[in-house]
Amino acid sequence: KAGVTQTPRYLIKTRGQQVTLSCSPISGHRSVSWYQQTPGQGLQFLFEYFSETQRNKGNFPGRFSGRQFSNSRSEMNVSTLELGDSALYLCASSFTSDGEQFFGPGTRLTVL
Amino acid sequence: EDQVTQSPEALRLQEGESSSLNCSYTVSGLRGLFWYRQDPGKGPEFLFTLYSAGEEKEKERLKATLTKKESFLHITAPKPEDSATYLCAPTGNQFYFGTGTSLTVIP
Repeated sequence: KAGVTQTPRYLIKTRGQQVTLSCSPISGHRSVSWYQQTPGQGLQFLFEYFSETQRNKGNFPGRFSGRQFSNSRSEMNVSTLELGDSALYLCASSFTSDGEQFFGPGTRLTVL
Repeated sequence: EDQVTQSPEALRLQEGESSSLNCSYTVSGLRGLFWYRQDPGKGPEFLFTLYSAGEEKEKERLKATLTKKESFLHITAPKPEDSATYLCAPTGNQFYFGTGTSLTVIP
């Protein structure tokens, strides 16, 4: 069974730009969650999508948004990038919203 | 306010020296507590799910236990390949991840 895939793996952007990250969940999983991981803060929950609907949202500004498609693939968008957005962005999929999550390798975003 | 605290932040063990990692949490409407292992440059890897106080799960040298306010990850006779960051994640209406315990096992 193929695992969670995320593209791209690495990104370098400049302040003010926007970025879109992609996540393909494990086949059959309908829940996709996004996390931001930084050395000081650990994993911070961004949002969760289930069957194309946002079910839950963490405490991030509106510059962070996401969506989920009918095939469960998900995208995350960050607009007007700031230096503090530099982080590892992780996507996790699960069969149900409260089931064990399986993580992708992450996208390393660097904002210059 | 929902919160999670893991201790210690870092732990160095000699190979074969057993120890325990702690996860203290305050999460309303707890639906489960998850343990993950994360290697550098990789996403977290699922280890265990615990649902009720008193529950225990084991996998090789790892055993996870759960009380109403804490969970412990016991590592018995660790090997260098057990070196990683261990994360706990109690779940209410969302997953709350601790900042992890960085474990180093010295041969």
